[in-house]
Amino acid sequence: QSALTQPASVSGSPGQSITISCTGTSSDVGGYNYVSWYQQHPGKAPKLMIYDVSNRPSGVTHRFSGSKSGNTASLAVSGLQAEDEADYYCSSYTSSSAVVFGGGTRLTVL
Amino acid sequence: QVQLQESGPGLVKPSETLSLTCTVSGGSISSYYWSWIRQPPGKGLEWIAYMYYSGSTNYNPSLKSRVTISVDTPKNQFSLKLSSVTAADTAVYYCARRPVPLRAFDIWGQGTMVTVSS
Repeated sequence: QSALTQPASVSGSPGQSITISCTGTSSDVGGYNYVSWYQQHPGKAPKLMIYDVSNRPSGVTHRFSGSKSGNTASLAVSGLQAEDEADYYCSSYTSSSAVVFGGGTRLTVL
Repeated sequence: QVQLQESGPGLVKPSETLSLTCTVSGGSISSYYWSWIRQPPGKGLEWIAYMYYSGSTNYNPSLKSRVTISVDTPKNQFSLKLSSVTAADTAVYYCARRPVPLRAFDIWGQGTMVTVSS
């Protein structure tokens, strides 16, 4: 299984909105509505931000949202805040009941 | 609330077996999937394996031949064994919980750094 493809970095100014893409295949992202997104601050464990493409766990701000079109999923962050600066990873369930992660995207708040 | 804590040696010699345990506190190990995920220094996340508390398992194909995971329900613990380790297995190892209806990891341990070196 190959890692999902994410941009290495994205950036935005406070208050702006950004989108991070996550591209897979019909055997993972495109085949199931089981894409999740994780936020990871330096030296910390990942935190679940979005599950099942577009659902937010309790306690996650509505400024984070997820979507999917074909083999590409996206994470949108609106009203950027300094605390959003982190690494973001997408993940998908696969046709072999496995799990695959993306390579990660560094979000910089300018 | 439920917390996960990884434990095990921080240094393992090449060709030996890496062994880690994850202790679940504040909740039961039953009725969930439990997983191991690792992150080499400066790199991304890599899923290793998961298992249901009752015993069914699924492994990353690239690691399957070297990995064994198990659950000790009475102790509320699950474990990872990775054999024939090399420097490429140096990473922070995380344990994580996957609730049955989800295909996502909602609770993670803090992670434990394992270095493979002689």
